Amino acid sequence: EVQLVQSGPEVKKSGESLKISCRASGYIFSRYWISWVRQMPGKGLEWMGRIDPSDSNVNYSPPVQGHVTISHDKSVSTAYLQWSSLKASDTAFYFCARHRRGSGDDAFDVWGQGTVVSVS
Amino acid sequence: DIQMTQSPSSLSAFVGDRVTITCQASQDVSVYVNWYHQTPGKAPKLLIFDSFYLQTGAPSRFSAGGSGTSFAFTISSLQPEDVGTFYCQQYDKLPFTFGQGTRLEIK
Repeated sequence: EVQLVQSGPEVKKSGESLKISCRASGYIFSRYWISWVRQMPGKGLEWMGRIDPSDSNVNYSPPVQGHVTISHDKSVSTAYLQWSSLKASDTAFYFCARHRRGSGDDAFDVWGQGTVVSVS
Repeated sequence: DIQMTQSPSSLSAFVGDRVTITCQASQDVSVYVNWYHQTPGKAPKLLIFDSFYLQTGAPSRFSAGGSGTSFAFTISSLQPEDVGTFYCQQYDKLPFTFGQGTRLEIK
C-alpha cells in the first residue's frame, strides 16, 4: 500500500528550531515529487514547496522562501520540512503529499496524515 | 500568483440533491485543475485531476470540467459522507494555488 506517514505533533516556542518528517512506503521514493501543504487553524490549504527526491531540486512559494527548508533522505525514503527559527504564525497543520506523476506538475494523489505544529 | 476563486464559500443541501461548485482562475490555466475533499482533522483526498478525470476509487457521483479560467465540480446526488470542504487547485504555474474552499453541509 502506498503511504506517507508523518511525524507526531510538536509544541515549540518562538525562536526554536524544528524538523518534521514524511516517510514514504509502498513505492519507489525517488520517482515522485513530494510537496508540503500548510493549513493554518480554521483556514484553507496553502502550497509551501516541493522537492524532487531524484535530484534534490526544490521550489518554494514566495511567502515561505527563506523561512523553511525542504529536504529529503533517499536512504530512508523520507522528506523533511524544517525551520531554524519558528514564529507563532507557523502554528498550523502541515501535510506532505505525493505528486501523481513523476513530473512534479500534477495532482497530489497520496497525502500524509498531517503534523500539527503549535508555536507559542 | 494565480488566484483561484471558488463559489459559493458555503452551501447547504439535502441528501440526493445535485450540487455544483465553481472555480474561477485569475488567468488561463488550461486544464491543469484538480479537486479535493477534506473533512475536519483529516488530510484532503484527491477526487478529480486534470479538470475532469475521476481519481481511482473516487465515487462516480463526482464529476467536473472546464478549461482556461472557468471550472465546475458537480455532485450528482449528495450523500451524507460528502460533508466537509471542497477545494480546487491549479498546477499550471508555480506557486501552485488552491481556492479558498467551499464548505458543504447537509440540511
